[in-house]
Amino acid sequence: DGGITQSPKYLFRKEGQNVTLSCEQNLNHDAMYWYRQDPGQGLRLIYYSQIVNDFQKGDIAEGYSVSREKKESFPLTVTSAQKNPTAFYLCASSMRPRLAGVYNEQFFGPGTRLTVL
Amino acid sequence: AQKITQTQPGMFVQEKEAVTLDCTYDTSDQSYGLFWYKQPSSGEMIFLIYQGSYDEQNATEGRYSLNFQKARKSANLVISASQLGDSAMYFCAMREGWGGSNYKLTFGKGTLLTVNP
Repeated sequence: DGGITQSPKYLFRKEGQNVTLSCEQNLNHDAMYWYRQDPGQGLRLIYYSQIVNDFQKGDIAEGYSVSREKKESFPLTVTSAQKNPTAFYLCASSMRPRLAGVYNEQFFGPGTRLTVL
Repeated sequence: AQKITQTQPGMFVQEKEAVTLDCTYDTSDQSYGLFWYKQPSSGEMIFLIYQGSYDEQNATEGRYSLNFQKARKSANLVISASQLGDSAMYFCAMREGWGGSNYKLTFGKGTLLTVNP
């Protein structure tokens, strides 16, 4: 079945450590996104990528990094520079926005819950 | 100013009754899209329904319908015949514009719906 997988489901990190969250999709989508969700808040965009080897900062990119070497994969690294990384992280994918117009549904993965100890 | 406002942090409804979840939006674009997502306690975001700014009729998908009032900039979600499985967080989101600028979904803070038996 087509979909988006994220791993791990739960992740614990010590302060000062970098961690990488995995996101893989087999929907043949060009665009991929990373969102952060805090309690009582909606989703906020961290990074997005419209095509392979290209990515752009979203609203809250500081302390995060990404890569897009393959169409199927868009890993997110939470660096030690991110001051408050404990949150729920959601990955999404969609058709490329330039081609799809405003009706461009984003499909989401199951999320990774990151806790800093 | 917030682009998406959901004024109801929590709502309660009896099973089999209808419920309306409010969403107002703010944009100066003529072309935009409005989305509703459901987030169960498992965390995954599930797409429910879409309304385009140029759509003349209100969108419907099964038990979900969207009460779109363009002049008031509101896009309320109506769930008919509520079921226990409808208990979840509900997010309203907007995409503005066309082409390369419309990569981003802006989310509201959500409404927690509880369906009572």
